[in-house]
Amino acid sequence: DTEVTQTPKHLVMGMTNKKSLKCEQHMGHRAMYWYKQKAKKPPELMFVYSYEKLSINESVPSRFSPECPNSSLLNLHLHALQPEDSALYLCASSPRDSTDTQYFGPGTRLTVL
Amino acid sequence: AQRVTQPEKLLSVFKGAPVELKCNYSYSGSPELFWYVQYSRQRLQLLLRHISRESIKGFTADLNKGETSFHLKKPFAQEEDSAMYYCALSGYGGATNKLIFGTGTLLAVQP
Repeated sequence: DTEVTQTPKHLVMGMTNKKSLKCEQHMGHRAMYWYKQKAKKPPELMFVYSYEKLSINESVPSRFSPECPNSSLLNLHLHALQPEDSALYLCASSPRDSTDTQYFGPGTRLTVL
Repeated sequence: AQRVTQPEKLLSVFKGAPVELKCNYSYSGSPELFWYVQYSRQRLQLLLRHISRESIKGFTADLNKGETSFHLKKPFAQEEDSAMYYCALSGYGGATNKLIFGTGTLLAVQP
């Protein structure tokens, strides 16, 4: 399996809801990433996990909470989001670190009402 | 400061014309340069990276450390090349462990 998968594809949530995004890869990659992408803009890095440990948090608000249960799985827990958090959330993985090629998932399109 | 600059938001060319998408970078260490492409309704994917020195889909890019550039070139554009192209930078000895993207260039190849 040489792809990064993300679920769900689309998510609509209210500002008081709690939801989670899921990302999975079975390529044996040890670095995993969450990005936020607004329309016609480049991806903005949110979090980096290296060997299942959080190594970078780009000053992301605490309403976004990442989790890496094992080396193949990455979650992003969402709580009390704002409408401006509506975006495409991308997951990526790479063999060791950011100097390697990153493999991106298709993304979850999030709409916050 | 680490930075990637793509000066053109939109580049429109006719099919068969040469294409050059510009990318300049600023980095204090030893850079790793990438071009990623995002076709309509498809995931972001690697097009090429400088260490591989490959030609992918007819595209090439040469790292010029003197001019701090990594321009993407193709001699004859095809309609299927229409996409958003991002130049990206990582590396050793400079930035922390992250990939820095340019703002992107939308390539539109007209028939």
